[in-house]
Amino acid sequence: EIVLTQSPATLSLSPGERATLSCRASQSVSSYLAWYQQKPGQAPRLLIYDASKRATGIPARFSGSGSGTDFTLSISSLEPEDSAVYYCQQRSNFGQGTKLEIK
Amino acid sequence: QITLKESGPTLVKPTQTLTLTCTFSGFSLSTSGLGVGWIRQPPGKALEWLALIYWNDESRYSPSLKNRLTITKDTSKNQVVLTMTNMAPVDTATYYCAHSDTVTTDGSFGYWGQGTLVTVSS
Repeated sequence: EIVLTQSPATLSLSPGERATLSCRASQSVSSYLAWYQQKPGQAPRLLIYDASKRATGIPARFSGSGSGTDFTLSISSLEPEDSAVYYCQQRSNFGQGTKLEIK
Repeated sequence: QITLKESGPTLVKPTQTLTLTCTFSGFSLSTSGLGVGWIRQPPGKALEWLALIYWNDESRYSPSLKNRLTITKDTSKNQVVLTMTNMAPVDTATYYCAHSDTVTTDGSFGYWGQGTLVTVSS
């Protein structure tokens, strides 16, 4: 079974800064990796699929990169509403999440 | 537009079987490449993938829960049902159903239900 490890566990940044979130797979997953954003009390929202493709309606400040075992979700110019927990997913596996706090 | 909604009991007793129904609209599970999955989230914890059923009746299960789960679909009713046997307090979680499209995406979940909280307690 593939294990997805996300880092850091928590990230605290200011508005306007750039966030870089990491997801590492225990074995190669090619480019089959998705990223989700989850705010308190809400269902997750798909941000990125196929490692780098933005889902419908997702702002351009969200971008994904990587292949094989190492993946990154980048959020340029953070806004207060980006405060959330972010999860990566590969088929039947989710990472443990990164909590992004906007100061 | 695509919508999904979970329904089922909010409280179950230990050892009981949980049956959850996902009722959806805006797509048909007879369409090639589509699937509906179940994901759960214990309070304050991470997402956990449970099961997924595809348009062609192929189903997949979490290895750790495979012996307790059954996923079925009723295409005519636009419903997917998940049953989980031998419920325990650790199964207390919000259960989500979600839409998967393996044609236009990598099969990730592009649409989610609002979730339903299931508490396991005597």
